[in-house]
Amino acid sequence: DQQVKQNSPSLSVQEGRISILNCDYTNSMFDYFLWYKKYPAEGPTFLISISSIKDKNEDGRFTVFLNKSAKHLSLHIVPSQPGDSAVYFCAASSLMAAAGNKLTFGGGTRVLVKP
Amino acid sequence: ETGVTQSPTHLIKTRGQQVTLRCSSQSGHNTVSWYQQALGQGPQFIFQYYREEENGRGNFPPRFSGLQFPNYSSELNVNALELDDSALYLCASRPTGTRSYEQYFGPGTRLTVT
Repeated sequence: DQQVKQNSPSLSVQEGRISILNCDYTNSMFDYFLWYKKYPAEGPTFLISISSIKDKNEDGRFTVFLNKSAKHLSLHIVPSQPGDSAVYFCAASSLMAAAGNKLTFGGGTRVLVKP
Repeated sequence: ETGVTQSPTHLIKTRGQQVTLRCSSQSGHNTVSWYQQALGQGPQFIFQYYREEENGRGNFPPRFSGLQFPNYSSELNVNALELDDSALYLCASRPTGTRSYEQYFGPGTRLTVT
């Protein structure tokens, strides 16, 4: 049972435009959500996170939106740059879980930003 | 640069063999987790160690085991390797005493089982 899903395996966007990545989850116990970026031959790099008590968090070009009732979050990248081309993973965690730091990841979305 | 290193970078083993993967995290990072990332999928949680004791495990069989040492290094051991164990193995650490959930990942070890 996949508790975190990223339904779009890939996304292509023109440089300067907005990239919108989506993520859905099923476990109501998740209370913290993170986005990671991964380049080939590197480990995932933390991008931005959001607690379930918020519905928006912004950091520079990156904004994460959380809709708890829909169990949906999205990552907006504005403006998109060629260096943003990577695989993006959505991840979720629960403070109440036995392994409080366990991250449950989605399958990833490959983003290609065209110059 | 996360300060988390892993060795080796790549490894080829034969089915039935045993393998040990190593991770070194930053000073003060008392929590270390291991993840398996199969091709085309997201990382899957294997287990977590805190102060040298396992305190959480994902859906992986007992032939996956680990150790954490006082010097912020850790190991992942896999016995009786199977073809499906071929994957990227990621180590992640987290500083103690922070209120965030962010984990810092190493570059991973690519294991191929033939």
